[in-house]
Amino acid sequence: ETGVTQSPTHLIKTRGQQVTLRCSSQSGHNTVSWYQQALGQGPQFIFQYYREEENGRGNFPPRFSGLQFPNYSSELNVNALELDDSALYLCASSSAEVTRYTFGSGTRLTVV
Amino acid sequence: SQQGEEDPQALSIQEGENATMNCSYKTSINNLQWYRQNSGRGLVHLILIRSNEREKHSGRLRVTLDTSKKSSSLLITASRAADTASYFCATASKGGGADGLTFGKGTHLIIQP
Repeated sequence: ETGVTQSPTHLIKTRGQQVTLRCSSQSGHNTVSWYQQALGQGPQFIFQYYREEENGRGNFPPRFSGLQFPNYSSELNVNALELDDSALYLCASSSAEVTRYTFGSGTRLTVV
Repeated sequence: SQQGEEDPQALSIQEGENATMNCSYKTSINNLQWYRQNSGRGLVHLILIRSNEREKHSGRLRVTLDTSKKSSSLLITASRAADTASYFCATASKGGGADGLTFGKGTHLIIQP
Protein backbone atom coordinates (compact mmCIF):
# COMPACT_ATOMS: atom_id res chain seq x y z
CA GLU A 1 0.00 0.00 0.00
CA THR A 2 1.57 3.28 -1.09
CA GLY A 3 1.19 6.33 1.10
CA VAL A 4 0.50 9.92 0.18
CA THR A 5 3.30 11.60 -1.75
CA GLN A 6 3.71 15.32 -2.28
CA SER A 7 5.94 17.31 -4.59
CA PRO A 8 8.02 19.33 -4.44
CA THR A 9 9.28 19.08 -0.85
CA HIS A 10 10.54 22.66 -0.78
CA LEU A 11 9.79 25.67 -2.93
CA ILE A 12 10.76 29.33 -2.93
CA LYS A 13 8.61 31.79 -4.86
CA THR A 14 8.41 35.54 -5.18
CA ARG A 15 5.46 37.60 -4.00
CA GLY A 16 2.86 37.91 -6.76
CA GLN A 17 3.85 34.68 -8.50
CA GLN A 18 1.70 31.58 -8.87
CA VAL A 19 2.49 28.10 -7.52
CA THR A 20 1.21 24.57 -8.10
CA LEU A 21 1.68 21.83 -5.52
CA ARG A 22 1.00 18.18 -6.28
CA CYS A 23 -0.27 15.23 -4.29
CA SER A 24 -0.73 11.54 -5.06
CA SER A 25 -3.35 9.84 -2.92
CA GLN A 26 -2.91 6.61 -1.03
CA SER A 27 -4.07 3.62 -3.02
CA GLY A 28 -7.80 3.01 -2.53
CA HIS A 29 -8.52 6.55 -1.31
CA ASN A 30 -10.91 8.71 -3.35
CA THR A 31 -11.00 11.88 -1.24
CA VAL A 32 -8.23 14.45 -1.01
CA SER A 33 -7.99 17.46 1.26
CA TRP A 34 -5.39 20.20 1.62
CA TYR A 35 -4.20 21.98 4.74
CA GLN A 36 -1.99 25.01 5.39
CA GLN A 37 0.22 24.94 8.46
CA ALA A 38 1.97 28.15 9.47
CA LEU A 39 5.01 27.91 11.70
CA GLY A 40 4.05 27.05 15.26
CA GLN A 41 0.38 26.57 14.41
CA GLY A 42 -1.92 23.66 13.75
CA PRO A 43 -2.96 22.81 10.18
CA GLN A 44 -5.90 24.76 8.75
CA PHE A 45 -8.33 23.19 6.29
CA ILE A 46 -8.20 24.71 2.81
CA PHE A 47 -10.55 22.48 0.80
CA GLN A 48 -11.52 18.91 -0.02
CA TYR A 49 -12.13 17.10 -3.30
CA TYR A 50 -14.27 14.05 -3.92
CA ARG A 51 -14.90 12.59 -7.37
CA GLU A 52 -13.09 15.52 -8.97
CA GLU A 53 -15.39 18.10 -7.37
CA GLU A 54 -14.68 20.47 -4.50
CA ASN A 55 -17.13 19.44 -1.78
CA GLY A 56 -15.85 21.42 1.18
CA ARG A 57 -13.86 24.58 1.75
CA GLY A 58 -12.33 26.38 4.70
CA ASN A 59 -11.83 30.09 5.18
CA PHE A 60 -9.42 30.68 2.30
CA PRO A 61 -9.76 33.21 -0.55
CA PRO A 62 -10.53 32.17 -4.16
CA ARG A 63 -6.88 32.55 -5.17
CA PHE A 64 -6.47 29.16 -3.51
CA SER A 65 -7.87 26.64 -5.99
CA GLY A 66 -7.48 22.98 -6.71
CA LEU A 67 -8.05 20.04 -8.98
CA GLN A 68 -8.59 16.34 -8.50
CA PHE A 69 -7.85 13.97 -11.36
CA PRO A 70 -9.52 10.65 -12.32
CA ASN A 71 -6.69 8.76 -10.59
CA TYR A 72 -7.54 10.74 -7.41
CA SER A 73 -4.28 12.70 -7.45
CA SER A 74 -4.66 16.39 -6.77
CA GLU A 75 -3.16 19.83 -7.26
CA LEU A 76 -3.27 22.95 -5.12
CA ASN A 77 -2.83 26.21 -6.98
CA VAL A 78 -2.19 29.53 -5.30
CA ASN A 79 -2.26 32.73 -7.34
CA ALA A 80 -0.86 36.15 -6.47
CA LEU A 81 1.31 34.79 -3.69
CA GLU A 82 1.61 36.82 -0.52
CA LEU A 83 4.30 36.68 2.15
CA ASP A 84 1.76 35.18 4.59
CA ASP A 85 1.30 32.22 2.25
CA SER A 86 4.66 30.94 3.48
CA ALA A 87 3.79 27.70 5.23
CA LEU A 88 3.87 23.92 5.13
CA TYR A 89 1.14 22.65 2.80
CA LEU A 90 -0.17 19.22 3.67
CA CYS A 91 -2.22 16.91 1.53
CA ALA A 92 -4.35 14.19 3.10
CA SER A 93 -6.29 11.38 1.50
CA SER A 94 -9.08 9.23 2.82
CA SER A 95 -11.87 7.04 1.59
CA ALA A 96 -15.38 8.46 1.68
CA GLU A 97 -16.43 5.76 4.12
CA VAL A 98 -13.64 6.37 6.62
CA THR A 99 -12.85 9.61 8.39
CA ARG A 100 -9.25 8.70 9.19
CA TYR A 101 -6.80 10.66 7.05
CA THR A 102 -3.38 9.71 5.71
CA PHE A 103 -1.12 12.73 5.37
CA GLY A 104 1.79 13.35 3.06
CA SER A 105 5.09 14.83 4.26
CA GLY A 106 4.14 18.25 2.97
CA THR A 107 5.56 20.96 0.73
CA ARG A 108 7.30 23.81 2.47
CA LEU A 109 6.58 27.00 0.55
CA THR A 110 8.55 30.14 1.20
CA VAL A 111 7.38 33.40 -0.37
CA VAL A 112 9.98 36.16 -0.52
CA SER B 1 -9.68 29.32 12.56
CA GLN B 2 -8.47 26.91 15.22
CA GLN B 3 -11.12 24.77 16.89
CA GLY B 4 -9.58 24.85 20.30
CA GLU B 5 -6.47 24.57 22.34
CA GLU B 6 -4.11 21.87 23.46
CA ASP B 7 -2.72 22.13 26.93
CA PRO B 8 0.09 22.38 27.75
CA GLN B 9 1.76 24.07 24.77
CA ALA B 10 5.00 22.33 25.67
CA LEU B 11 5.86 19.41 27.94
CA SER B 12 9.26 18.01 28.89
CA ILE B 13 9.50 14.75 30.85
CA GLN B 14 11.99 11.99 31.55
CA GLU B 15 12.00 8.80 29.53
CA GLY B 16 9.78 6.21 31.15
CA GLU B 17 7.35 8.73 32.65
CA ASN B 18 3.79 9.18 31.46
CA ALA B 19 2.79 12.17 29.35
CA THR B 20 -0.69 13.66 29.42
CA MET B 21 -1.97 16.23 26.95
CA ASN B 22 -5.36 17.87 26.94
CA CYS B 23 -7.48 19.30 24.17
CA SER B 24 -10.55 21.49 24.24
CA TYR B 25 -12.88 22.18 21.34
CA LYS B 26 -15.84 24.42 20.67
CA THR B 27 -18.48 22.81 18.48
CA SER B 28 -20.39 19.53 18.28
CA ILE B 29 -18.29 16.77 16.81
CA ASN B 30 -18.63 13.47 15.02
CA ASN B 31 -15.25 12.25 16.20
CA LEU B 32 -11.94 13.47 17.62
CA GLN B 33 -8.55 12.32 16.38
CA TRP B 34 -5.01 12.66 17.65
CA TYR B 35 -2.04 13.07 15.33
CA ARG B 36 1.72 13.21 15.82
CA GLN B 37 4.08 15.40 13.82
CA ASN B 38 7.84 15.08 13.80
CA SER B 39 9.94 18.17 13.02
CA GLY B 40 7.34 20.01 10.92
CA ARG B 41 6.78 17.12 8.55
CA GLY B 42 3.65 15.07 7.81
CA LEU B 43 1.06 14.12 10.38
CA VAL B 44 0.71 10.54 11.56
CA HIS B 45 -2.70 9.36 12.70
CA LEU B 46 -2.60 7.92 16.22
CA ILE B 47 -6.12 7.23 17.36
CA LEU B 48 -9.75 8.16 16.66
CA ILE B 49 -12.52 8.32 19.24
CA ARG B 50 -16.14 8.75 18.23
CA SER B 51 -18.50 11.14 19.96
CA ASN B 52 -20.41 8.25 21.59
CA GLU B 53 -17.23 6.75 23.06
CA ARG B 54 -15.65 7.81 26.34
CA GLU B 55 -12.30 6.02 26.33
CA LYS B 56 -10.12 4.21 23.84
CA HIS B 57 -6.78 2.41 24.04
CA SER B 58 -4.13 1.65 21.44
CA GLY B 59 -0.84 0.23 22.65
CA ARG B 60 0.71 2.80 25.00
CA LEU B 61 -1.94 5.38 24.10
CA ARG B 62 -5.11 6.09 26.05
CA VAL B 63 -7.60 8.68 24.88
CA THR B 64 -10.60 9.98 26.78
CA LEU B 65 -13.43 12.13 25.52
CA ASP B 66 -15.87 14.21 27.57
CA THR B 67 -18.43 15.71 25.20
CA SER B 68 -20.18 17.57 28.02
CA LYS B 69 -16.97 19.50 28.69
CA LYS B 70 -15.89 19.46 25.04
CA SER B 71 -12.51 18.11 26.03
CA SER B 72 -10.22 15.18 25.38
CA SER B 73 -6.98 13.89 26.82
CA LEU B 74 -4.17 11.81 25.37
CA LEU B 75 -2.03 9.74 27.73
CA ILE B 76 1.22 8.21 26.55
CA THR B 77 2.50 5.68 29.05
CA ALA B 78 6.14 4.64 29.56
CA SER B 79 7.42 7.38 27.24
CA ARG B 80 10.38 6.83 24.93
CA ALA B 81 12.80 9.25 23.28
CA ALA B 82 11.13 8.45 19.95
CA ASP B 83 7.87 9.93 21.30
CA THR B 84 9.43 13.41 21.05
CA ALA B 85 7.15 15.24 18.62
CA SER B 86 4.24 17.67 18.40
CA TYR B 87 0.83 16.24 19.13
CA PHE B 88 -2.39 17.64 17.70
CA CYS B 89 -6.01 16.93 18.36
CA ALA B 90 -8.38 17.34 15.44
CA THR B 91 -12.15 17.27 15.34
CA ALA B 92 -14.50 16.20 12.58
CA SER B 93 -17.78 18.07 12.78
CA LYS B 94 -21.23 16.54 12.72
CA GLY B 95 -21.69 18.32 9.41
CA GLY B 96 -19.79 15.58 7.69
CA GLY B 97 -16.32 14.94 6.37
CA ALA B 98 -16.52 17.67 3.75
CA ASP B 99 -15.81 20.21 6.48
CA GLY B 100 -12.35 18.73 6.92
CA LEU B 101 -10.58 18.40 10.24
CA THR B 102 -10.20 21.31 12.65
CA PHE B 103 -6.89 21.22 14.50
CA GLY B 104 -5.65 22.76 17.70
CA LYS B 105 -2.27 24.44 18.01
CA GLY B 106 -0.59 21.36 19.37
CA THR B 107 1.51 20.24 22.32
CA HIS B 108 5.25 19.96 21.80
CA LEU B 109 6.46 16.95 23.78
CA ILE B 110 10.12 16.44 24.62
CA ILE B 111 11.25 13.15 26.13
CA GLN B 112 14.61 13.48 27.85
CA PRO B 113 16.75 10.32 27.92
